Amino acid sequence: DVKVTQSSRYLVKRTGEKVFLECVQDMDHENMFWYRQDPGLGLRLIYFSYDVKMKEKGDIPEGYSVSREKKERFSLILESASTNQTSMYLCASDQGRGEKLFFGSGTQLSVL
Amino acid sequence: QKEVEQNSGPLSVPEGAIASLNCTYSDRGSQSFFWYRQYSGKSPELIMSIYSNGDKEDGRFTAQLNKASQYVSLLIRDSQPSDSATYLCAVISSGSARQLTFGSGTQLTVLP
Repeated sequence: DVKVTQSSRYLVKRTGEKVFLECVQDMDHENMFWYRQDPGLGLRLIYFSYDVKMKEKGDIPEGYSVSREKKERFSLILESASTNQTSMYLCASDQGRGEKLFFGSGTQLSVL
Repeated sequence: QKEVEQNSGPLSVPEGAIASLNCTYSDRGSQSFFWYRQYSGKSPELIMSIYSNGDKEDGRFTAQLNKASQYVSLLIRDSQPSDSATYLCAVISSGSARQLTFGSGTQLTVLP
């Protein structure tokens, strides 16, 4: 089975802190994605990556950056956390055309 | 902004009935359409994909696509309480290879 592992299930941070969300997949997938999910808004794409050291902005990249130094690992960075970044963050991977996404279990981030 | 719209519900149906979930999309050039299911507290999982006009059946699930009307639907026959979940419509829009755009989801409850 494909496994996408997110480092934390729940995370509480203070405004202004730098936050790292880690994601690791074990299926050698090329494509990795970071989404945030908010009630009534669905899943919105923050960043994605097709290959190591490659990144592309999604629909809502402001306030975020990413890093993909190894194929299996894709990190989401909140440079200076703000309260409006309180959300469920979902990492996903895919081998192919970005259609069949395998999601991690999510990180519920609260920024106080 | 390419959009995918769903009725948020909640939608309730009795056990054994047909549940009908609807989705419209704004980008006429979209070619690939998907339904993901998300149980409460869990991550989304892909359950259906459809690429051509018409119906596609998989067990109790039927996806329907009408590109002229920019409309996708999911029918669940003989609904079971275990089908209770949020159903997310997702589209790959033209010019957005490997980027799924999700609707906000429809919450379905199947009443025993």
